[in-house]
Amino acid sequence: GQQVMQIPQYQHVQEGEDFTTYCNSSTTLSNIQWYKQRPGGHPVFLIQLVKSGEVKKQKRLTFQFGEAKKNSSLHITATQTTDVGTYFCAGPSSASKIIFGSGTRLSIRP
Amino acid sequence: DAGVTQSPTHLIKTRGQQVTLRCSPKSGHDTVSWYQQALGQGPQFIFQYYEEEERQRGNFPDRFSGHQFPNYSSELNVNALLLGDSALYLCASSSRQGSYGYTFGSGTRLTVV
Repeated sequence: GQQVMQIPQYQHVQEGEDFTTYCNSSTTLSNIQWYKQRPGGHPVFLIQLVKSGEVKKQKRLTFQFGEAKKNSSLHITATQTTDVGTYFCAGPSSASKIIFGSGTRLSIRP
Repeated sequence: DAGVTQSPTHLIKTRGQQVTLRCSPKSGHDTVSWYQQALGQGPQFIFQYYEEEERQRGNFPDRFSGHQFPNYSSELNVNALLLGDSALYLCASSSRQGSYGYTFGSGTRLTVV
């Protein structure tokens, strides 16, 4: 079946450093979604990318969708303590099923 | 406020018992998906309900069943609980027409002892 994989599993950075997480799907995706889950919280929708090669920015966050629509990345510039959490990518395996990656947990040294 | 309401927040059950979890979707959303999230893992898809029907199911046994009501709210039932069913159960609502991301509830933390 379809798999969505994320690397790295963990990332520990100094505040102010950049952070990147990568997402790879075993199949071509119609779209890719990104979610953030704070410790003890629930996933919160960040963004959806649809077009091949699409790049979207939200303040310090930059999201990219690969040309083949099988991979994606999330880059955070100059991390802040508020960025702590687990970042998940998710892609549809059908019209009624979205599969989540295993997530990248970001921790930050103040 | 997540917009999606789940109850109860926490639950402790004994192995072999049955449990019902409830979800009210965000206003304007007509589709409800249920996920199981074990500690340190990503959410695992259980099933999705739309128009009161189960539309798709993940790799979960028949002990897991659900229902959607005419007002779009939903229930997740788990029978014959196992210790391995201990997890955070998340309800996510969406609009079938919009297909633009899920809104998650805060979840129900189920502990089976």
